[in-house]
Amino acid sequence: AQRVTQPEKLLSVFKGAPVELKCNYSYSGSPELFWYVQYSRQRLQLLLRHISRESIKGFTADLNKGETSFHLKKPFAQEEDSAMYYCALTLPPGGYQKVTFGIGTKLQVIP
Amino acid sequence: GAGVSQSPSNKVTEKGKDVELRCDPISGHTALYWYRQSLGQGLEFLIYFQGNSAPDKSGLPSDRFSAERTGGSVSTLTIQRTQQEDSAVYLCASSNPGGKDNEQFFGPGTRLTVL
Repeated sequence: AQRVTQPEKLLSVFKGAPVELKCNYSYSGSPELFWYVQYSRQRLQLLLRHISRESIKGFTADLNKGETSFHLKKPFAQEEDSAMYYCALTLPPGGYQKVTFGIGTKLQVIP
Repeated sequence: GAGVSQSPSNKVTEKGKDVELRCDPISGHTALYWYRQSLGQGLEFLIYFQGNSAPDKSGLPSDRFSAERTGGSVSTLTIQRTQQEDSAVYLCASSNPGGKDNEQFFGPGTRLTVL
């Protein structure tokens, strides 16, 4: 069964410092990976997906199949980045598409 | 267009009572998911619907939990004989598996407090 691991429950960084939120997964095939974000008093929403290879709000994430990782990175943290971040995995299209979420990492950007 | 809606937004109940939580997915989304979000536990999968059937109920924590979906749209999550450990935010999400990916669109959640 697929599994998503986010080793840090809380990550505190100073404004302007680089950010890296870790995500590792276990699945023998080729999954699709996502990062979801939940800002205070807002809905959980998609931040970015690996198939799009996009940068959203300065965040990027590269899928490393060798290390089975999908870490979320930003070179310079901003106060508005403070939120809860969830890494998620789904199987490729065509089959049952259950999405498996990690436990989440709370990012706290210190002014 | 309208997003996923859930009702009620808050529910306070006494231990032992039954509660029903409602989810209205985005129109046309065939997949619907229920999750439970609690401090220290992250996002816990409960059940997944494809249309009106539930091919994956593996996340339901006990037989006190059940869910149904009618008309391929609205879903109701029922918790019988509530316990204090059921207190959490219950999230509903919907998606369109026929689309280019499986992005889930979440509702605002129902905060359940069991006294």
